[in-house]
Amino acid sequence: GESVGLHLPTLSVQEGDNSIINCAYSNSASDYFIWYKQESGKGPQFIIDIRSNMDKRQGQRVTVLLNKTVKHLSLQIAATQPGDSAVYFCAENSLLTGGGNKLTFGTGTQLKVEL
Amino acid sequence: DAGITQSPRHKVTETGTPVTLRCHQTENHRYMYWYRQDPGHGLRLIHYSYGVKDTDKGEVSDGYSVSRSKTEDFLLTLESATSSQTSVYFCAISRGGQETQYFGPGTRLLVL
Repeated sequence: GESVGLHLPTLSVQEGDNSIINCAYSNSASDYFIWYKQESGKGPQFIIDIRSNMDKRQGQRVTVLLNKTVKHLSLQIAATQPGDSAVYFCAENSLLTGGGNKLTFGTGTQLKVEL
Repeated sequence: DAGITQSPRHKVTETGTPVTLRCHQTENHRYMYWYRQDPGHGLRLIHYSYGVKDTDKGEVSDGYSVSRSKTEDFLLTLESATSSQTSVYFCAISRGGQETQYFGPGTRLLVL
């Protein structure tokens, strides 16, 4: 069955260091992945996405890497800041009957930035 | 929150009462979704809509119904609330299939 999981439930990093959050997926047919950031009391916020025809995609201070061979993706945050403290989810996309897409989420990784 | 509002933001109700949550968008997106978020389960899809009056079930649809009479509004109804429906409910929208979903601020529901 399909599942999306995270390797580490909590990640603590020093301010200014780089952060790497990992995610494993099991559905080899998945072709679209999204990373979300969720701060306490708020809804998930889109960070970056990647499609299966890519290995890497960069945004502002964030990079997502996709390794289809081992069904793994990671989110890298450069120069981590206190404002990056949040729960990060990867989500795996699959198509629904009506053409919309269902996101299957992992349980999340808590990123804590230490000053 | 990408032009998405949810109401109410917080609600306390009693077991057996009906509850309706509203999601309103100003983006004119075709697709709308309702998720619930619980500790240990992440976000799970309840129902979704792919157009006005077009809806379908997600993975945890039992005990919930939805309606969409206008593009901008998607209603989630708990016909007879139970304590297991205590959760945080999020609405999401997307322009089309295989497109990014954007989430609203959430509704925190407590069923006593």
